[in-house]
Amino acid sequence: GQSLEQPSEVTAVEGAIVQINCTYQTSGFYGLSWYQQHDGGAPTFLSYNALDGLEETGRFSSFLSRSDSYGYLLLQELQMKDSASYFCAVRDTGFQKLVFGTGTRLLVSP
Amino acid sequence: DADVTQTPRNRITKTGKRIMLECSQTKGHDRMYWYRQDPGLGLRLIYYSFDVKDINKGEISDGYSVSRQAQAKFSLSLESAIPNQTALYFCATSDFRAKNIQYFGAGTRLSVL
Repeated sequence: GQSLEQPSEVTAVEGAIVQINCTYQTSGFYGLSWYQQHDGGAPTFLSYNALDGLEETGRFSSFLSRSDSYGYLLLQELQMKDSASYFCAVRDTGFQKLVFGTGTRLLVSP
Repeated sequence: DADVTQTPRNRITKTGKRIMLECSQTKGHDRMYWYRQDPGLGLRLIYYSFDVKDINKGEISDGYSVSRQAQAKFSLSLESAIPNQTALYFCATSDFRAKNIQYFGAGTRLSVL
């Protein structure tokens, strides 16, 4: 089976940089994804890493190290609107469905 | 209009009642999913379907059933609702060419009294 671990909460101030870590245990691996969810809203896709290294999309970057079963989401130039929950997810190779972590709540303060 | 539409958005019901949550999509995706979200537990998969004739149980399917009426429609039923099924329910879709990207509906907040 799959399991993912991420911190339950992270706090930061506007303009800062924050890193949200995710470690996973899987029987196979087909990529690590990140989703953002604002309170009361739907999860929305942010990024995907299939291979080792850094993927950059504007202020957000995602990193993967398959040898360490580890990834992180990096948010730069934090804004108040970045306050949300962030979920990492891996794809189950047997059934091709996503398994989500329990989420990290990011609180950005002025 | 939203690409993935869930109805109703909110529902309050009583223990023992049958409830149906509906999901429709205009994205043309073949894959559809139903998730449940509880505080601190993330998103847990209830059922998923890779096409009209393919239905699969997820990790928490007990007490739920689904119907894939068409490629664009996937409904979730609670045959006899119980209070611990009070949760936020999401429908999602994905395309077989981009399996790691799922598109979520706005959610249905269900309360079972």
